[in-house]
Amino acid sequence: QVQLVQSGPEVKKSGSSVKVSCKASGGTFGNHAISWLRQAPGQGLEWMGTITPMFGISNYARKFQGGVTITADESRTTVYMEMISLRPEDTAVYYCAREGFHTPYFVSWGQGTLVAVSS
Amino acid sequence: DIVLTQSPGTLSLSAGERVTLSCRASQTVVDNYLAWYQQKPGQTPRLLIFDASKRATGIPDRFSGSGSGTDFTLTISRLEPEDFAVYYCQQYYVPPWTFGQGTKVEIK
Repeated sequence: QVQLVQSGPEVKKSGSSVKVSCKASGGTFGNHAISWLRQAPGQGLEWMGTITPMFGISNYARKFQGGVTITADESRTTVYMEMISLRPEDTAVYYCAREGFHTPYFVSWGQGTLVAVSS
Repeated sequence: DIVLTQSPGTLSLSAGERVTLSCRASQTVVDNYLAWYQQKPGQTPRLLIFDASKRATGIPDRFSGSGSGTDFTLTISRLEPEDFAVYYCQQYYVPPWTFGQGTKVEIK
């Protein structure tokens, strides 16, 4: 069973950027897609985008295109999510999650990373 | 985007009761590409059901999913104390993958 461990909490100013990591251990890394999702305080879940590390191809929700970049380093079995031009409304817990095999439901999740953005 | 509407928003129930949660899609979710998750306070979501009716690994058989087209249901046959949580549905038929707003099952 793959375990996902994310980097620690971040406090950022409006207009800055953040890069969150998600390290996978156990199981195979490259052939399952990993998505990033976020959950604002007291709110529901929002899918941001995904990458299949074996191919290095990313896809994004329209809302996040241009503002979010998802990359993977197979040698480190780590996926990254970088978000630029942060605003206070980007304050949320950000999760990485491993998808089912060729099917985008989310089988296992990282522990979440709180990104707090102040004005 | 496919909008998923969950109802009710909150359910107040006692342990041992049967629970039925609804998830309605704004358009047909073909091939029943719908999942259900459970999230407890301060915890990460846990996959319960995929493909509308298939239980994920390790999920007790008191959880069951059903439905097709635009109407889907998660049923908990007999509530256990550990089942009090928020439940989300998610469609993965058409990107962007979207979630319902959640149903909170709380202790009465």
